[in-house]
Amino acid sequence: DIVMTQSPDSLAVSLGERATINCKSSQSVLYSSNNKNYLAWYQQKPGQPPKLLIYWASTRESGVPDRFSGSGSGTDFTLTISSLQAEDVAVYYCQQYYSTPPITFGPGTKVDIK
Amino acid sequence: QLQLQESGPGLVKPSETLSLTCTVSGGSISSSSYYWGWIRQPPGKGLEWIGSIYYSGSTYYNPSLKSRVTISVDTSKNQFSLKLSSVTAADTAVYYCARHGRQQWLVDIWGQGTMVTVSS
Repeated sequence: DIVMTQSPDSLAVSLGERATINCKSSQSVLYSSNNKNYLAWYQQKPGQPPKLLIYWASTRESGVPDRFSGSGSGTDFTLTISSLQAEDVAVYYCQQYYSTPPITFGPGTKVDIK
Repeated sequence: QLQLQESGPGLVKPSETLSLTCTVSGGSISSSSYYWGWIRQPPGKGLEWIGSIYYSGSTYYNPSLKSRVTISVDTSKNQFSLKLSSVTAADTAVYYCARHGRQQWLVDIWGQGTMVTVSS
């Protein structure tokens, strides 16, 4: 199974500042035949289910603000919130869908306001 | 739009069987494009995939839970269900039902989740 790790475990960022979350997979999730990275990001606000934010490593789900962006390829990925808003306080999870089943998520990164 | 709603007991005794049902509304569970799954989250912890089912009844389970898990589907009721046997306190969690693609296992729709506590 592909193991996902994330860093940091948590971070606190001032409103309007940039937040950066890293995700690493134990093996490449880049499918060479279509050059797509099978990597998604989810946002989970307190008391709510997770919400799909980004897939194919960098494609925003419909309705997701453009301050959220994803980047990376192969085994190393980044979720960036360009200008943190109060409503972005949440735990963020990465997930690979290159080799399923099983569905495997990263352990999560908690984002708070400094 | 399509919605998922979990239902079932919020308290289960140790060694008994946890049973939950997910009702799909606003769409058909018999779509050829999707699987229907269960994911859980212990208090304060991360997400763990339990298993998934296709409308035809084909299933996939997390190997770590496979011996205790059964997922079934009732297309006539637009529902799918989870049974987890021999539960312990470690099975205490919020249980989510969810939809993911058949080709790409992206979870695009989640239920609100239901808290299940295992305690005598």
